[in-house]
Amino acid sequence: AQSVAQPEDQVNVAEGNPLTVKCTYSVSGNPYLFWYVQYPNRGLQFLLKYITGDNLVKGSYGFEAEFNKSQTSFHLKKPSALVSDSALYFCAVRDQAGTALIFGKGTTLSVSS
Amino acid sequence: DTAVSQTPKYLVTQMGNDKSIKCEQNLGHDTMYWYKQDSKKFLKIMFSYNNKELIINETVPNRFSPKSPDKAHLNLHINSLELGDSAVYFCASSLDQGQLNPYGYTFGSGTRLTVV
Repeated sequence: AQSVAQPEDQVNVAEGNPLTVKCTYSVSGNPYLFWYVQYPNRGLQFLLKYITGDNLVKGSYGFEAEFNKSQTSFHLKKPSALVSDSALYFCAVRDQAGTALIFGKGTTLSVSS
Repeated sequence: DTAVSQTPKYLVTQMGNDKSIKCEQNLGHDTMYWYKQDSKKFLKIMFSYNNKELIINETVPNRFSPKSPDKAHLNLHINSLELGDSAVYFCASSLDQGQLNPYGYTFGSGTRLTVV
């Protein structure tokens, strides 16, 4: 069965510092990996995805993520955090058989000014 | 031009009532989903329909019954509401179960259900 782990409930960074939100996954075969962001009282917004190709994926709002097959990880990164990046971030995985997206428990990112 | 729209946005109701949440997508997608987000923000798949056919039915009480009159609509009916049903319910759609649209799933803005 596929699964996603986000080991940190919360990540705190100062504005201007780099940020990393961690995600590891378990899936049969090659994974489809996603990051979504949720602002308070809003739906989920797509940030970026990895399907195939380059291991470093660039997405919306300056975010990027690196796919590491040997470590089964897909960590979300940004070189310089903004206060407006503060939100709840979800990693999700789907296998190529096309089952539903399975989400991690979410990581709250808090960026202080 | 909302891609995935859910109604109502907020729903407050008493225990024991029956209620429905509606979802419509105008993206031409074949597959639609219902997810439940609980008070701890966990997102869990409930149901998935592909072109009006049920393809995923997770362990959900049979008080929850999805209905898909056509591939653009997936409604969720809940009978005999309980306090534990209080959550945010998200509808989503994707191109189809075997392929991915460029953004994976497109989500609606959610329906916050409060059972009192």
